Amino acid sequence: DTEVTQTPKHLVMGMTNKKSLKCEQHMGHRAMYWYKQKAKKPPELMFVYSYEKLSINESVPSRFSPECPNSSLLNLHLHALQPEDSALYLCASSQDTDREVYEQYFGPGTRLTVT
Amino acid sequence: QKEVEQDPGPLSVPEGAIVSLNCTYSNSAFQYFMWYRQYSRKGPELLMYTYSSGNKEDGRFTAQVDKSSKYISLFIRDSQPSDSATYLCAPTDSWGKLQFGAGTQVVVTP
Repeated sequence: DTEVTQTPKHLVMGMTNKKSLKCEQHMGHRAMYWYKQKAKKPPELMFVYSYEKLSINESVPSRFSPECPNSSLLNLHLHALQPEDSALYLCASSQDTDREVYEQYFGPGTRLTVT
Repeated sequence: QKEVEQDPGPLSVPEGAIVSLNCTYSNSAFQYFMWYRQYSRKGPELLMYTYSSGNKEDGRFTAQVDKSSKYISLFIRDSQPSDSATYLCAPTDSWGKLQFGAGTQVVVTP
């Protein structure tokens, strides 16, 4: 089973709202990722968690706050977003980040619209 | 210059034709070369990957890497309308970070 689940599927929020995106995997993977994808563009890496610790932050604005409560769950907390943050937010997982190849498996994404 | 160049297409082919996709890259440190397929409004799906130079075949899909020319290819034989999607090449750097190409939109017409 290579399933990564994400909730919600769609989210509309105002610029003053606080919301959270959730991601879950039950493959025993120890690395989890957040990506942002704008229309007709490839995914852009935002954060990487390895063994529940933040290992990479791609200079993402602080209005995006990741959290990894345990090895199966990954959250992305959103606050004071801008309309240009509207995008598809993708979660991915891989076995770990201590090997040469990282087969990343993606979830279906959350389509976020900021009004 | 982008590290990975990929023609965004669209590439339109008739059903049953061979689809030929390619990317070029500039970073000679890339070792693993992934191909992802992404259907509209869905997450990317890992199709296959190759290590260093060489070929790899999986059913109707063949991936090729030529490190000497920094050229990555994906071939889809006997294409089907269900193959209509965007195909993303993604070499990985030493940190395992996927360096996505722009993605090529493929349309297979019945």
